[in-house]
Amino acid sequence: DVKVTQSSRYLVKRTGEKVFLECVQDMDHENMFWYRQDPGLGLRLIYFSYDVKMKEKGDIPEGYSVSREKKERFSLILESASTNQTSMYLCASSHSRTGIYSPLHFGNGTRLTVT
Amino acid sequence: RKEVEQDPGPFNVPEGATVAFNCTYSNSASQSFFWYRQDCRKEPKLLMSVYSSGNEDGRFTAQLNRASQYISLLIRDSKLSDSATYLCVVNPPPYGQNFVFGPGTRLSVLP
Repeated sequence: DVKVTQSSRYLVKRTGEKVFLECVQDMDHENMFWYRQDPGLGLRLIYFSYDVKMKEKGDIPEGYSVSREKKERFSLILESASTNQTSMYLCASSHSRTGIYSPLHFGNGTRLTVT
Repeated sequence: RKEVEQDPGPFNVPEGATVAFNCTYSNSASQSFFWYRQDCRKEPKLLMSVYSSGNEDGRFTAQLNRASQYISLLIRDSKLSDSATYLCVVNPPPYGQNFVFGPGTRLSVLP
């Protein structure tokens, strides 16, 4: 079974803090993703990476950056946390960009509150 | 037109009922489709991939209609534990990279 592990289930941070969300997958997946999910807005892609040190902006990258130094680990960084970044953050991975049936596998999410 | 649309819901059905959800997509180049379920405040979990010939997994049946660009999910003999939000996910090329989510359809199975 694919396992995607996010470092924290719940996190409370203050406005202006730098926040690191960590994600590790154990299935040698090439692709990794960060989404946020808010009520009424669905899942929105922040960034994704299809290889080590490679990254692509998603739909809402502003205020975020990412790091992928190793294949199994994908970090999301909030440079200066703001209250509008309070959300559920979901990491996901998928196997191969050439495989048709390569579903996303999600971690169990980090619920971040910025006060 | 949104890329992926789903029945707005919510669906409230009694235990044992059969319920069907529909999902339409706009990118005709799409060949990769999935249904996920998401429980309240939890992560989405893969329910099933949708194959071109249709596929079944126990009480769940998924169908694809390429001509009309829609996929469906049928749940037979609904259980209380089926209560969740069902997400339609379309993966246009490049596969494995570009996932487009529908807004979800909420199902409540009532005793």
